[in-house]
Amino acid sequence: KQEVTQIPAALSVPEGENLVLNCSFTDSAIYNLQWFRQDPGKGLTSLLLIQSSQREQTSGRLNASLDKSSGRSTLYIAASQPGDSATYLCAVYDNTGKLIFGQGTTLQVKP
Amino acid sequence: DAGVIQSPRHEVTEMGQEVTLRCKPISGHDYLFWYRQTMMRGLELLIYFNNNVPIDDSGMPEDRFSAKMPNASFSTLKIQPSEPRDSAVYFCASSFGGAVTEAFFGQGTRLTVV
Repeated sequence: KQEVTQIPAALSVPEGENLVLNCSFTDSAIYNLQWFRQDPGKGLTSLLLIQSSQREQTSGRLNASLDKSSGRSTLYIAASQPGDSATYLCAVYDNTGKLIFGQGTTLQVKP
Repeated sequence: DAGVIQSPRHEVTEMGQEVTLRCKPISGHDYLFWYRQTMMRGLELLIYFNNNVPIDDSGMPEDRFSAKMPNASFSTLKIQPSEPRDSAVYFCASSFGGAVTEAFFGQGTRLTVV
């Protein structure tokens, strides 16, 4: 059974700092991986989708990497801002289209 | 497209009552997912459909839960009878081709069973 783990569970950094969020999965036979953002009381917003054939994907200050063989993905946020404060969720797709989530990392960026 | 639309946004009901949550996926999407989110358990996949057919309902917690997708533009999640432990935020999501493209989520339905 696929399990997705995100470390750390919570993170607090000063504004301007670069940071890395980690995601690991137990079954490397994933199809794709997607990172989401969730603001308190809101739905999930898609940030990046990494295809299984890709090693990384970039959008603005965000860069996500994928290493299927080691069962890991990282989300790099450059020059963090208070508006980046949210919960970040990693989810993996298997080849049937099922999407399994980690527990998330709650990020606080202090002004 | 207006995105994935869920209704109602909030639902408060008494224990024992039937609750029906509704979802309209993005037009053209062929996968639809129902999730439940709680502080303790995070996001749990309850059931997902492909082309209106349920593919995996192993996450449905009990027989009190049922889901249907009568057509490509509508799905329901029903809880009968509801219990206080069913209180959670229920999300619906849709995607095209399974993992080929991104999954998009609705705003969720916050269910409170008293």
